Amino acid sequence: GAGVSQSPSNKVTEKGKDVELRCDPISGHTALYWYRQRLGQGLEFLIYFQGNSAPDKSGLPSDRFSAERTGESVSTLTIQRTQQEDSAVYLCASRPTGSSGNTIYFGEGSWLTVV
Amino acid sequence: LAKTTQPISMDSYEGQEVNITCSHNNIATNDYITWYQQFPSQGPRFIIQGYKTKVTNEVASLFIPADRKSSTLSLPRVSLSDTAVYYCLVGFSGGYNKLIFGAGTRLAVHP
Repeated sequence: GAGVSQSPSNKVTEKGKDVELRCDPISGHTALYWYRQRLGQGLEFLIYFQGNSAPDKSGLPSDRFSAERTGESVSTLTIQRTQQEDSAVYLCASRPTGSSGNTIYFGEGSWLTVV
Repeated sequence: LAKTTQPISMDSYEGQEVNITCSHNNIATNDYITWYQQFPSQGPRFIIQGYKTKVTNEVASLFIPADRKSSTLSLPRVSLSDTAVYYCLVGFSGGYNKLIFGAGTRLAVHP
């Protein structure tokens, strides 16, 4: 596709349920990032995939959060046993191969509300 | 990773020039400086990037002094539609590049 695509765009879930958020990066982009942004707050780094290297999971807030990516394709962020504090927009971004500098491209986000 | 510091918020009026400065005292030799803009309910989008001196595009200018320990994003003649959060990002371009955003600067443009 032309840009980074995320789904679902909006998700309302009950506390304790699991959710999966999907990110389709721009074709050919080797780097993929997940960020969380709570209402009125800045971007909180969650996880970074770079090609076939082991992902950098240092930003995941708890073991309820996990993410996968197969090769240079789709990534899935999974939140288990959701809590109300997980309510936020989850943003995915990708970066071109051999990119000079820090130009990354964001999707429109998946808005998660835990009730 | 170089830490960045920006003002939390700024106010301006339509037609004025706005300058937002970002401090990055421990910037590394290979680091680039990039600015992003984020409107409510949207993902951030790239504005401008530079390594040293001055860079200008159709949207903004970026001024980087010789020591590269700070940078200034300059928005000429702002309009109401420039009301957004602006993020300064510093990091290495090649290979491993974990991009950490700071808190950003909330710019409010008034009529």
